[in-house]
Amino acid sequence: DVVLTQTPVSLSVTLGDQASISCRSSQSLEYSDGYTYLEWYLQKPGQSPQLLIYEVSNRFSGVPDRFIGSGSGTDFTLKISRVEPEDLGVYYCFQATHDPHTFGAGTKLELK
Amino acid sequence: EVKLQQSGDELVRPGASVKMSCKASGYTFTDYAMHWVKQSPGQGLEWIGTIIPLIDTTSYNQKFKGKATLTADKSSNTAYMELSRLTSEDSAVYYCASGPNYWFAYWGQGTLVTVSS
Repeated sequence: DVVLTQTPVSLSVTLGDQASISCRSSQSLEYSDGYTYLEWYLQKPGQSPQLLIYEVSNRFSGVPDRFIGSGSGTDFTLKISRVEPEDLGVYYCFQATHDPHTFGAGTKLELK
Repeated sequence: EVKLQQSGDELVRPGASVKMSCKASGYTFTDYAMHWVKQSPGQGLEWIGTIIPLIDTTSYNQKFKGKATLTADKSSNTAYMELSRLTSEDSAVYYCASGPNYWFAYWGQGTLVTVSS
């Protein structure tokens, strides 16, 4: 199975700071069709996860532009500029390129 | 507005089975695949499997083959997941999720399954 390693495990930030989360894959996530099926999800406390980013860098409908996804191959990053209170929670990367589809273990974003 | 309404929490005995539902509204049920995800207590997320209601095709994470069975009823816009031969390892919150292009764009509220005697 593809292993997605997220770092850091937790991240303490001050509101207004930038936050950066890394997701490294044990295999390239570029599919044979040329697309890279790497997504980012946020699970706020007590809620279901929500889709933020699909295909590495595309923001889902309604996601603020302070969320920026980037990367290729095996290395991916989610940056959150100017962290706001509603951004706190656990962030997961997810790959749908290889079977079985797998999630990273999560990165908890909390206030300093 | 897309909504996925999951059935209520379950307390089940070890060795038993449980069947949970996920009723979709706000979109054409056969337009999107339906996925199921497990979240064990205090743990991360695991993809269980996916069903394409339009053609009744399923794909499973090998880890959950024989454990989970996915079905869909197009007449009621409802997807189901049955878990069999339950053990304490199956105690978790189970989510359904759906959306265009196989994204997990819309999520249900989750069904908590507790396996206990």
